[in-house]
Amino acid sequence: GENVEQHPSTLSVQEGDSAVIKCTYSDSASNYFPWYKQELGKRPQLIIDIRSNVGEKKDQRIAVTLNKTAKHFSLHITETQPEDSAVYFCAARLSGNTPLVFGKGTRLSVIA
Amino acid sequence: NAGVTQTPKFQVLKTGQSMTLQCAQDMNHNSMYWYRQDPGMGLRLIYYSASEGTTDKGEVPNGYNVSRLNKREFSLRLESAAPSQTSVYFCASRQGATNEKLFFGSGTQLSVL
Repeated sequence: GENVEQHPSTLSVQEGDSAVIKCTYSDSASNYFPWYKQELGKRPQLIIDIRSNVGEKKDQRIAVTLNKTAKHFSLHITETQPEDSAVYFCAARLSGNTPLVFGKGTRLSVIA
Repeated sequence: NAGVTQTPKFQVLKTGQSMTLQCAQDMNHNSMYWYRQDPGMGLRLIYYSASEGTTDKGEVPNGYNVSRLNKREFSLRLESAAPSQTSVYFCASRQGATNEKLFFGSGTQLSVL
């Protein structure tokens, strides 16, 4: 089955700097790659996603890039703010009704 | 719309006790999931139901059972709780093939002593 590796497990950045979180997946047939953000004590929520027919997607300060050949995808957050502090999860999914497989998460701390 | 509703929010059990976690969604979603979240382990799938009337095992199904009672409700049962089942449990739902977004409930903090 699919396996998703996520790095780093923790990341601290200064406010205003950029943050990058990287994930690799094992099954080349996976075609959907979402990112979820979980604030302390809250539920995970989708922040951005990308499909395998697209190489990059942006939404304001966040962007996701996908390299299908290397089987890795990354989350980029620019101009970080304290409210970006959270745990971020990447995930991958095959087509159809197969469920998402999540990475182990990255705890991002933005230091003011 | 309430979205995905989980009950209870907190529960403490003794080893060997049983309990059922309830989950209901009001978004007419086809697929429902149960995940557990442990520190450093991410979100691991316990069981899922791709559509009403079907259930399948996920990555960590041992010690759990599920019931897809109808399209709205998907319950998770612990028959004989063990300390290793201490975790935060999240229910989630997804519309299906036309909408990938996963909606999570607020979670259940379960402690097994």
